Amino acid sequence: DADVTQTPRNRITKTGKRIMLECSQTKGHDRMYWYRQDPGLGLRLIYYSFDVKDINKGEISDGYSVSRQAQAKFSLSLESAIPNQTALYFCATSDAAGGGQGGDEQFFGPGTRLTVL
Amino acid sequence: GENVEQHPSTLSVQEGDSAVIKCTYSDSASNYFPWYKQELGKRPQLIIDIRSNVGEKKDQRIAVTLNKTAKHFSLHITETQPEDSAVYFCAAGRNTGFQKLVFGTGTRLLVSP
Repeated sequence: DADVTQTPRNRITKTGKRIMLECSQTKGHDRMYWYRQDPGLGLRLIYYSFDVKDINKGEISDGYSVSRQAQAKFSLSLESAIPNQTALYFCATSDAAGGGQGGDEQFFGPGTRLTVL
Repeated sequence: GENVEQHPSTLSVQEGDSAVIKCTYSDSASNYFPWYKQELGKRPQLIIDIRSNVGEKKDQRIAVTLNKTAKHFSLHITETQPEDSAVYFCAAGRNTGFQKLVFGTGTRLLVSP
């Protein structure tokens, strides 16, 4: 089945370290997203990309960067991790069809639990 | 930008009862309102969505209503079952052009047998 995968699934790191979270998809979708989930705060958008040449900041992009290496791959980097970046991170994809013609659903990966000590 | 508020944050019901979760949004240009269910330790998954040209949509035991004038929408689950226990997120966005969603803070639903 076409899917969205994330690596690693769990990561513990120390303050100041550089961390990369990777997302791959076999759904053939153009649009990819990175969210973080914190208890009581829901899902907040970090970055999104509508195709390989397009990268956009979300609500909470400070301290993060992304790279869209190919249609199927979208990586999130924490240049210098800090404890308040401890969270569950989700990648998601959607089709470009949208516009009420279907394709609006976002498909989430299994998540990466990141702990910054 | 869009702001989505969701209530209640937790909801406990007995099996067989109905559950209602409410959301309000701020951007009158939003026209797409999905609901996602996240079971413990799992990824969020879409369960139902509604577009602004529709006032109500049903799918078996779940339904969503939308009041564009008041800028609020609700999820209704009837005849709740223990497997409905999960966190539910509402979201709002525009499904033309960009598909950026703003999510609510989530409702933890607990259905007791």
